[in-house]
Amino acid sequence: DAGVTQSPTHLIKTRGQQVTLRCSPKSGHDTVSWYQQALGQGPQFIFQYYEEEERQRGNFPDRFSGHQFPNYSSELNVNALLLGDSALYLCASSWGGQGLYSNQPQHFGDGTRLSIL
Amino acid sequence: DAKTTQPPSMDCAEGRAANLPCNHSTISGNEYVYWYRQIHSQGPQYIIHGLKNNETNEMASLIITEDRKSSTLILPHATLRDTAVYYCIVRVAHGGANSKLTFGKGITLSVRP
Repeated sequence: DAGVTQSPTHLIKTRGQQVTLRCSPKSGHDTVSWYQQALGQGPQFIFQYYEEEERQRGNFPDRFSGHQFPNYSSELNVNALLLGDSALYLCASSWGGQGLYSNQPQHFGDGTRLSIL
Repeated sequence: DAKTTQPPSMDCAEGRAANLPCNHSTISGNEYVYWYRQIHSQGPQYIIHGLKNNETNEMASLIITEDRKSSTLILPHATLRDTAVYYCIVRVAHGGANSKLTFGKGITLSVRP
């Protein structure tokens, strides 16, 4: 049973460029959340997708956008890259519970390491 | 979500139990306690979660005090592979998709030979 998979594992971009990161959730999961982890810090929530819609968003600018596909996989897009966007980007999947009260844990992939030059 | 407080670091000897404390004095009745750990260069790994009863699985035990203001994660027989940053997170579970996880700095556990 494959867990959460993310691609690519590493990426180098320059300031001003755009980047797309990809995530395939764990089998049976329908909800995808994205987190940014700067060096030495805990992960920070970016946004969450469920039923192909953004359901929650953290304190990140509009340069960060996403998408969820019918097969539950997801993309994170970042435009106009800044040096401060250098970080480990983590995807987490979970079961949304069909709109019910849910305490299901989120399961993480190993992330994409993005470096901005 | 309620805030959690963890000491920055601790160590324990291999083969001994590791008891990792967490304070969450402002926890609400509908908030769960979750523990994750992150080994260098990997994504966070889910360990265990609970509401008010003690919980045990193949990885660890979670002890939550009766007033729910603190909890302890217990690794019964620590190994060198348990060296990691451990995060204690309090999260409300509400209708719809899972709510976000709010990570603090965590506690760095070092297991010594």
